[in-house]
Amino acid sequence: GAVVSQHPSRVICKSGTSVKIECRSLDFQATTMFWYRQFPKQSLMLMATSNEGSKATYEQGVEKDKFLINHASLTLSTLTVTSAHPEDSSFYICSARDNIYGYTFGSGTRLTVV
Amino acid sequence: QKEVEQNSGPLSVPEGAIASLNCTYSDRGSQSFFWYRQYSGKSPELIMFIYSNGDKEDGRFTAQLNKASQYVSLLIRDSQPSDSATYLCAVIAGYSTLTFGKGTMLLVSP
Repeated sequence: GAVVSQHPSRVICKSGTSVKIECRSLDFQATTMFWYRQFPKQSLMLMATSNEGSKATYEQGVEKDKFLINHASLTLSTLTVTSAHPEDSSFYICSARDNIYGYTFGSGTRLTVV
Repeated sequence: QKEVEQNSGPLSVPEGAIASLNCTYSDRGSQSFFWYRQYSGKSPELIMFIYSNGDKEDGRFTAQLNKASQYVSLLIRDSQPSDSATYLCAVIAGYSTLTFGKGTMLLVSP
C-alpha cells in the first residue's frame, strides 16, 4: 500500500525558534497533501491543504505566516512552525491523497515547545 | 458547517463481544465515509471505507451506511483487547477534504 513518511517523530524546541516537519510520499506521487493538528483528546483538525507547485490553502483561523507550507515536489511537503510558542505544542500529522488508496497518513510529529 | 458527530465514550465491551460504534454527519452531499483507528500517540490508520448504502464487511469489521438517516456505523465482532483504541469517523463530500469526528474510545476488557 501507499506509504507516507513523516519526520521527525518527536521534537522539543525552545520558545521563539522554528521547527520544520517533513512529509514524504515514498511510493507514489502526491499532488495534494494535508496537514492536521491534534490536541490531546481532540480530533484531527485540518490546518491546510498543500498543492504541489502552488500556494497552500489554509483553513480559517490558521496563520499562514506562522505555519509555512512548501510543496516543492510531488513527493515532499514541509510544514515549518515559525517562532514557536508553548501553545503550538501539539501532534502534527500529514496526509497524502493518491488515486488508489485514498488518504494515507504519516506517523505524526509530537512537537513540544518549552 | 460540515459536522461529524461521535459519542466520545469510552465504550466498554468484554473480550469476544460485538462493539458498535456510531457516527452521524450533517452534510447530505457527503459521498465517502471512512473509519480510522488511532492508538494513543499514533496517527490514524484506515480500517474501512464505504460509499454505498448498506453493509460492507471486511474480516471482523462491518461498516453500515444509511444516507437517508445520515448515519454510519462500525461493528467489530469478537472484540479483542488489541482493538482498544479511539475510532475516528471521517466524511468527504465531493472533492472536499476529510472531516473527522472527535472519535469514540473503545475499551475491550480481557
